[in-house]
Amino acid sequence: ETGVTQSPTHLIKTRGQQVTLRCSSQSGHNTVSWYQQALGQGPQFIFQYYREEENGRGNFPPRFSGLQFPNYSSELNVNALELDDSALYLCASSLGGGQGTHGYTFGSGTRLTVV
Amino acid sequence: LAKTTQPISMDSYEGQEVNITCSHNNIATNDYITWYQQFPSQGPRFIIQGYKTKVTNEVASLFIPADRKSSTLSLPRVSLSDTAVYYCLVGGLFSGGYNKLIFGAGTRLAVHP
Repeated sequence: ETGVTQSPTHLIKTRGQQVTLRCSSQSGHNTVSWYQQALGQGPQFIFQYYREEENGRGNFPPRFSGLQFPNYSSELNVNALELDDSALYLCASSLGGGQGTHGYTFGSGTRLTVV
Repeated sequence: LAKTTQPISMDSYEGQEVNITCSHNNIATNDYITWYQQFPSQGPRFIIQGYKTKVTNEVASLFIPADRKSSTLSLPRVSLSDTAVYYCLVGGLFSGGYNKLIFGAGTRLAVHP
């Protein structure tokens, strides 16, 4: 059973640029959620994709967008990067659109630095 | 999802038992209590989940009093590798639709030699 894989592990971008982060879900999981974790804080929910559609979104602006592919992998896109976007971006996969607080497998994240 | 309150940090020594208490006064009837562990530069990892009384697995125990307004994660005989941030989450197991995990700031546990 493979876990959740995220790429790249680290990334440095300039303010105003665009970035795409990638996530391969755990085998057998069909739902992917993305979280942003600033230094010293807990992860904050960005959005969730189930059956290739966004079915839940946190308090993030539209410049944060995503995709889910037929193989359940996912992308997180962020446009017009701001310095405050610097964070660890975590992908979590699960089975089914909602599993409560259980059944999530997280990747190790992508550390994004905006300069 | 109910809000949770935990200590910001705790210190312990190898071999000791560590108890981290979480308050969740507004827990709903169908809410479960779940704990996650996070090491630096890694994603959170599920530790244990419970609804009431006591739950034990190979890693930890979870104690939940009858009123369910708090819970205590117990780590027996901690080692240096247990140094991490521990998050308490409260929410429904099968709430339908989409679901999101609401993390607080967590408890930073430092285990010393």
